[in-house]
Amino acid sequence: GAVVSQHPSWVICKSGTSVKIECRSLDFQATTMFWYRQFPKQSLMLMATSNEGSKATYEQGVEKDKFLINHASLTLSTLTVTSAHPEDSSFYICSASVGREGIHEQYFGPGTRLTVT
Amino acid sequence: GENVEQHPSTLSVQEGDSAVIKCTYSDSASNYFPWYKQELGKGPQLIIDIRSNVGEKKDQRIAVTLNKTAKHFSLHITETQPEDSAVYFCAAIFSGSARQLTFGSGTQLTVLP
Repeated sequence: GAVVSQHPSWVICKSGTSVKIECRSLDFQATTMFWYRQFPKQSLMLMATSNEGSKATYEQGVEKDKFLINHASLTLSTLTVTSAHPEDSSFYICSASVGREGIHEQYFGPGTRLTVT
Repeated sequence: GENVEQHPSTLSVQEGDSAVIKCTYSDSASNYFPWYKQELGKGPQLIIDIRSNVGEKKDQRIAVTLNKTAKHFSLHITETQPEDSAVYFCAAIFSGSARQLTFGSGTQLTVLP
């Protein structure tokens, strides 16, 4: 159990275009979903926290108008990178949180490699 | 702010030997400490976790120990195999953090055949 999928697994886009990444919890309903960004050989950097039906909470320094997050259901969250630029190229990973015995365990998707040319 | 420190950053062991990775945390009210394994190009995979009311937990070759007084927890991998080679991250949920995980900086484990 606790499987999280992401789509696409990789995407190449031209500078100035927008890209949407989907994150789904396949076998559970997620109380909260998170979006991370990871640079090579570094730890995960939290971008935003998303709860179903409410606006996402963005971390300091993350542009909410550039990284649009929609959390329409308990099993689906999307991240749209708008007007992408080469510096947005990165590995984007989502996670889904589920409460078990009073603890919110987090399960991660396989990640999406974004390359902006 | 609250943080998690992880050591070592790199670790090489011979196949069959044990590997130990240590983390310290700053918030004494933290109650959940997961460990993730991340292979190259993939998302982190939860391999084991421990709650603050438990001192040790074991799952086959993997074990985690927690010392609440000293505010540190460790991952132990016994009888290492080449497929254990990956980056391992410790994490903690701090009180008042809205369920967010704070990660350590990661340990690149290499198991030499």
